[in-house]
Amino acid sequence: GAVVSQHPSWVICKSGTSVKIECRSLDFQATTMFWYRQFPKQSLMLMATSNEGSKATYEQGVEKDKFLINHASLTLSTLTVTSAHPEDSSFYICSARRGTSGTPGPFYEQYFGPGTRLTVT
Amino acid sequence: GQNIDQPTEMTATEGAIVQINCTYQTSGFNGLFWYQQHAGEAPTFLSYNVLDGLEEKGRFSSFLSRSKGYSYLLLKELQMKDSASYLCAVMGPGANNLFFGTGTRLTVIP
Repeated sequence: GAVVSQHPSWVICKSGTSVKIECRSLDFQATTMFWYRQFPKQSLMLMATSNEGSKATYEQGVEKDKFLINHASLTLSTLTVTSAHPEDSSFYICSARRGTSGTPGPFYEQYFGPGTRLTVT
Repeated sequence: GQNIDQPTEMTATEGAIVQINCTYQTSGFNGLFWYQQHAGEAPTFLSYNVLDGLEEKGRFSSFLSRSKGYSYLLLKELQMKDSASYLCAVMGPGANNLFFGTGTRLTVIP
């Protein structure tokens, strides 16, 4: 169990357009989903945290109006990159966490999606 | 804030043992994770430590010393398929977010 999917796996778009990336937990309900960005040969940088039914919490330096996150259900979160520019080209990875507040442990394990490679031309 | 350090690259021989170190400074600590990531793929979970000591899982073991802010991942009987990046990640205050180190790119040579 604990499979997370992302769609699309890769996308090429023109500068100025918007792109939506979906993240789904397939066999569990995700109380929290996370969006990361990874540039080549660098580690994952957390962009935002989203809880179902509430507004996302963005990390410092991440523009919330540019990276729109919607977590409409316990199994689906979407990231929309609005007015994309070439510098937004990156590997976007989502993760999902099941479980609720309590003693840290396996309940806090994050399950990662396969990632979406975005190229903006 | 969080500060997580790992060596950038390591090379080891097939069949050998390699230890990847991770040091961290964090304002709150709720556990340390190790992930494996092959190029162009998402990270996959390897281990989780929240108490001091060694956790063994097959060929992989992970150690944690909270007082020293130190962890290591030990890989035994290295195989070529173990060539990947290994990410150390600390769960910070509130047990909500994972903060990743830059990752250690391990190359296994014949």
